[in-house]
Amino acid sequence: DTAVSQTPKYLVTQMGNDKSIKCEQNLGHDTMYWYKQDSKKFLKIMFSYNNKELIINETVPNRFSPKSPDKAHLNLHINSLELGDSAVYFCASSQEPGGETQYFGPGTRLLVL
Amino acid sequence: GESVGLHLPTLSVQEGDNSIINCAYSNSASDYFIWYKQESGKGPQFIIDIRSNMDKRQGQRVTVLLNKTVKHLSLQIAATQPGDSAVYFCADTGGGNKLTFGTGTQLKVEL
Repeated sequence: DTAVSQTPKYLVTQMGNDKSIKCEQNLGHDTMYWYKQDSKKFLKIMFSYNNKELIINETVPNRFSPKSPDKAHLNLHINSLELGDSAVYFCASSQEPGGETQYFGPGTRLLVL
Repeated sequence: GESVGLHLPTLSVQEGDNSIINCAYSNSASDYFIWYKQESGKGPQFIIDIRSNMDKRQGQRVTVLLNKTVKHLSLQIAATQPGDSAVYFCADTGGGNKLTFGTGTQLKVEL
């Protein structure tokens, strides 16, 4: 039973393309997140949704658009992919925003050529 | 700006020894701290947490110490095993609703 799942696990694409990453959690949590981890392992939050409402939107290019169709899903769409978007993207969830343990998905490894 | 940082990027220990991973934070408003373990090719996994009203918390083979005076926390792993090899992150909420992660320490366990 996977608590937080992401698809795809690997994504290789050309610069300029549009791609989506999907995330689902079966923990019954109200809050979901997207993080970006760069090649130096630095983890930085991008977005957070609580009950389908956006509550955190860090300084992220507007080419990145999250969408939460329901509490259990948080998808990330990226337009006009750039070389610098290459990274590992992690989805996470928690019962409440912020001060609670977050459970992470396995990550989506994005490589933009 | 406020940040969470780690003293050592890489720590090598012999199997069976104790490991100590350190972390410094700068936000005085931080009231909740978490240690995560990230194995190669996987997502971060919760290890242990501590709130600012405590200075020590123990789990199975792991202990977290919090020193609010100097804004420092550490993760101690007893009898380190090969399976402990991973990158360890400290994170804190800065009193708000988002986690800020440190830069990570690579723990290597030598046989």
